[in-house]
Amino acid sequence: AQTVTQSQPEMSVQEAETVTLSCTYDTSESDYYLFWYKQPPSRQMILVIRQEAYKQQNATENRFSVNFQKAAKSFSLKISDSQLGDAAMYFCAYRSAGGNTGKLIFGQGTTLQVKP
Amino acid sequence: EAGVVQSPRYKIIEKKQPVAFWCNPISGHNTLYWYRQNLGQGPELLIRYENEEAVDDSQLPKDRFSAERLKGVDSTLKIQPAELGDSAVYLCATAGQGWADTQYFGPGTRLTVL
Repeated sequence: AQTVTQSQPEMSVQEAETVTLSCTYDTSESDYYLFWYKQPPSRQMILVIRQEAYKQQNATENRFSVNFQKAAKSFSLKISDSQLGDAAMYFCAYRSAGGNTGKLIFGQGTTLQVKP
Repeated sequence: EAGVVQSPRYKIIEKKQPVAFWCNPISGHNTLYWYRQNLGQGPELLIRYENEEAVDDSQLPKDRFSAERLKGVDSTLKIQPAELGDSAVYLCATAGQGWADTQYFGPGTRLTVL
């Protein structure tokens, strides 16, 4: 079975600085998708970024980028120029590319605090 | 475009009482998921629907949980009777192009069982 681990329960960053959130996963599959979701205190889960395992190029969405290391099964999220609105819980998630499942497997989450 | 709508946002009940949660998907989204999120943890899948068919309910505790999606649009998740351990946030997510598409989440229903 696949598992996702986020080893940083809490992180903090100064506004305008850069922070990296860590995620590792375990799978025997070769094709899959990885996601970072943001969940602000209002609880609406929002997709931040998505990475296809077959793509070597790291995904980027404005201030958000990932460092995808397939061999190491590592998928970290870098937030540049941090803003107060980035404060939230961040979840790393895995989804198989096959098997007709769609099931997202989430890590435990990392709470990000942004200090003004 | 309206997002995924869930109601109620909060529910407090006594144990052994029944409770129901409602989800209205994004228009045109045929795939619908129910997840349960315990405090301080990531969501866990309970059930997935493709249109009105429950195609994956292996994680649903069927002794007390039930779900339906009549006409392949709105969905209801029910717990009867509720137990203290059912206190959690229940999230609905929908996707437009089947199981492989990006999932969009609703705000969730926070259930407290006393």
